[in-house]
Amino acid sequence: NAGVTQTPKFQVLKTGQSMTLQCAQDMNHNSMYWYRQDPGMGLRLIYYSASEGTTDKGEVPNGYNVSRLNKREFSLRLESAAPSQTSVYFCASSLGQVTGETQYFGPGTRLLVL
Amino acid sequence: AQSVTQLGSHVSVSEGALVLLRCNYSSSVPPYLFWYVQYPNQGLQLLLKYTSAATLVKGINGFEAEFKKSETSFHLTKPSAHMSDAAEYFCAVRRSGNTPLVFGKGTRLSVIA
Repeated sequence: NAGVTQTPKFQVLKTGQSMTLQCAQDMNHNSMYWYRQDPGMGLRLIYYSASEGTTDKGEVPNGYNVSRLNKREFSLRLESAAPSQTSVYFCASSLGQVTGETQYFGPGTRLLVL
Repeated sequence: AQSVTQLGSHVSVSEGALVLLRCNYSSSVPPYLFWYVQYPNQGLQLLLKYTSAATLVKGINGFEAEFKKSETSFHLTKPSAHMSDAAEYFCAVRRSGNTPLVFGKGTRLSVIA
């Protein structure tokens, strides 16, 4: 039982390049999330998927797109990377998206955009 | 909109001293509150959560938090700090309903030998 896995662990991009961050969970969770973490800013929600087949914008969606490929996988795409997208990206999942559900986090992807 | 405020971006304590990390929330309805911990170069893991069952919540590694509605607070405490407690701690809130977690900006805890 691996929990939430993310690939890659680390990536360097040039401005304007595109890439997709992959996330998968093996806990049969319905809801999945993408956050970015920046110093002094805490975690900010980029997009989330309450259930398979649905996605919604979070606090900072500009410059990103997501795909809920199936129940297990939720990918985050940067179409044209910018230096402002240098950050640590975390994927998380939860059984549902109600009240007291615990969110489980992956180990993160460190992205540097030059 | 619901939010959480963590007072102090950095807290430093001596080993064996009391740990107190502060979290205040703003919400018009009783929220569900969480504390997460992030060790260096790792993801976040749940320390404890309040879901209205009991106001004093015990978590892992000797941490506990008390929900005080009158003060809109959910402060995290540990009686005796250990070197292994050095990490970043995040308070988070979710109001009842179909909404994601909202995180505070985090408090970095340093433990001095």
